[in-house]
Amino acid sequence: DIVMTQSPDSLAVSLGERATINCKSSQSVLYSSNNKNYLAWYQQKPGQPPKLLIYWASTRESGVPDRFSGSGSGTDFTLTISSLQAEDVAVYYCQQYYSTLLPFGGGTKVEIK
Amino acid sequence: QVQLVQSGAEVKKPGASVKVSCKASGYTFTSYYMHWVRQAPGQGLEWMGIINPSGGSTSYAQKFQGRVTMTRDTSTSTVYMELSSLRSEDTAVYYCARARIEWELRSDLDYWGQGTLVTVSS
Repeated sequence: DIVMTQSPDSLAVSLGERATINCKSSQSVLYSSNNKNYLAWYQQKPGQPPKLLIYWASTRESGVPDRFSGSGSGTDFTLTISSLQAEDVAVYYCQQYYSTLLPFGGGTKVEIK
Repeated sequence: QVQLVQSGAEVKKPGASVKVSCKASGYTFTSYYMHWVRQAPGQGLEWMGIINPSGGSTSYAQKFQGRVTMTRDTSTSTVYMELSSLRSEDTAVYYCARARIEWELRSDLDYWGQGTLVTVSS
């Protein structure tokens, strides 16, 4: 089974500053036949279900602000919030969908410094 | 608009079973796989399994094999998740979530139900 590991567990960033979250998979999630990375990022605010932010590792879901960006390939991925806003306080999860079992990373809590 | 509406909170005793429903609307129910994800209090997301609403085939995470059953009713566009032999560690919010890509087993999840809190307590 593919294991997803996120780092850090939490981070505190000043308003307007950059936040960077890492996600590593135990095996490559790059599918060679279509050259797509089967990796998604979700945002979860307290008391709410998760919200899809990014799919195919770098494609923003419709309506997601462009301060959110995803990058990486193979086994190493990054979610970047370029200029943190107060409404971005949340827990962020990565998920691979390369295999038919869809594990999530452990989550990264983003707070305001 | 796509909506996933789940059944209400449940309180169960250890050893009992619980069945959570998820009623879909706003899209062709049989065209998109449905997943179940749970979240224990203060913990992360845990993927439980997937059902194909068209044919009813399922795939479960190893951890839940033998205890979980996912079914669907195409006449009401509803999927169900039943978990048996409940223990205190099963106390969690249970979510249904739709695959974003039509007909695709391997997909990210674009629409989520509101969640159903299941509490297991004697």
